Amino acid sequence: AQSVTQLGSHVSVSEGALVLLRCNYSSSVPPYLFWYVQYPNQGLQLLLKYTSAATLVKGINGFEAEFKKSETSFHLTKPSAHMSDAAEYFCAVTRGSGNTPLVFGKGTRLSVIA
Amino acid sequence: DAGVIQSPRHEVTEMGQEVTLRCKPISGHDYLFWYRQTMMRGLELLIYFNNNVPIDDSGMPEDRFSAKMPNASFSTLKIQPSEPRDSAVYFCASSFGATSYNEQFFGPGTRLTVL
Repeated sequence: AQSVTQLGSHVSVSEGALVLLRCNYSSSVPPYLFWYVQYPNQGLQLLLKYTSAATLVKGINGFEAEFKKSETSFHLTKPSAHMSDAAEYFCAVTRGSGNTPLVFGKGTRLSVIA
Repeated sequence: DAGVIQSPRHEVTEMGQEVTLRCKPISGHDYLFWYRQTMMRGLELLIYFNNNVPIDDSGMPEDRFSAKMPNASFSTLKIQPSEPRDSAVYFCASSFGATSYNEQFFGPGTRLTVL
């Protein structure tokens, strides 16, 4: 069964510092991986997705993620944190082939300190 | 497009009452998903539909939960009778197409509190 593990339920960074949120996956089929962001009292918004076209994926708001098959990882990074990046971030993998439900990690709450 | 619409946004009810959550997917989308978010279990799938037909309801916790999609523009999730442990945020999401990497668009969620 497909699964994702997000290391660290809470990450705190200073404004302007590098953001690194970790995600490792387990999948019996070629994985399609996603990062979603959830702002307080809102739904989830897609940041970026890996579709096997390129291992380095660029998303919205300056975020990017690199797919590393050898490490079964899909870590999310941003060179310089902004206060507005404070939110909950979820890594997800598709359950199987075709349009199937997402299997989510537990989430990582990002705090940005001024 | 207005995005995925869910109603109500907040629901407070007493144990034993019937609760109905509503979702209007994005027009033209043929997949609809119901997820539940709790502190303990995180985000988990309850049920999903393709072209209004339920495909997988294995995530529905008990017979107290039921979901319908009578047409392409409307779905309901019903809990009868409700229990305090049903308190959670319920999300509806929709997407288009059969490929594995199609984006799911999420609604704002319904925060359910069962007293």
